[in-house]
Amino acid sequence: RKEVEQDPGPFNVPEGATVAFNCTYSNSASQSFFWYRQDCRKEPKLLMSVYSSGNEDGRFTAQLNRASQYISLLIRDSKLSDSATYLCVVNMNTGFQKLVFGTGTRLLVSP
Amino acid sequence: DAGITQSPRHKVTETGTPVTLRCHQTENHRYMYWYRQDPGHGLRLIHYSYGVKDTDKGEVSDGYSVSRSKTEDFLLTLESATSSQTSVYFCAISEPSIGGYGYTFGSGTRLTVV
Repeated sequence: RKEVEQDPGPFNVPEGATVAFNCTYSNSASQSFFWYRQDCRKEPKLLMSVYSSGNEDGRFTAQLNRASQYISLLIRDSKLSDSATYLCVVNMNTGFQKLVFGTGTRLLVSP
Repeated sequence: DAGITQSPRHKVTETGTPVTLRCHQTENHRYMYWYRQDPGHGLRLIHYSYGVKDTDKGEVSDGYSVSRSKTEDFLLTLESATSSQTSVYFCAISEPSIGGYGYTFGSGTRLTVV
């Protein structure tokens, strides 16, 4: 089983739609969680951290379910500029800071 | 954005030749990492460093070595390049005491081994 698993997509949605991505992780001791965004042929960039209580940043909402070991990202009112690959990232808490990356979910927002 | 640069940005090399990629940071971050990214595999950790001269292996370290003689520089060397090492290589930095636990990535190096 992969340490971090995501649906690769692609998710094809029209502008204005709401879309949700899920991610599961294998290590129940994991402490830190993130969503990164990666544009085509670019480096990954931190989108948001994921907190136990859930957190929101504008149109983006991240949630964590420790009992089921999954993380979600909700994007409301999708924009064309949201088209990218979204990486689920988990700190496996192995005694130093080691992030494990999912393979990413591709989102395509169309006019 | 954090000051992190990778060089070269693109490189084509022949099988069997040694190749060195450079990562340079101006943020004085303690941790530095080398990842490779391939379709279907995502980002995989090659080597990491937690201080000057302190390095350790990641999950795909075979065929790679690293060195960190200064805080700001982390070098990745392919001792004898093979076609399976054709990939995009990303360097990343982090400093938990300052920026939490997220990473900042360099722009990447596209390496082709022919």
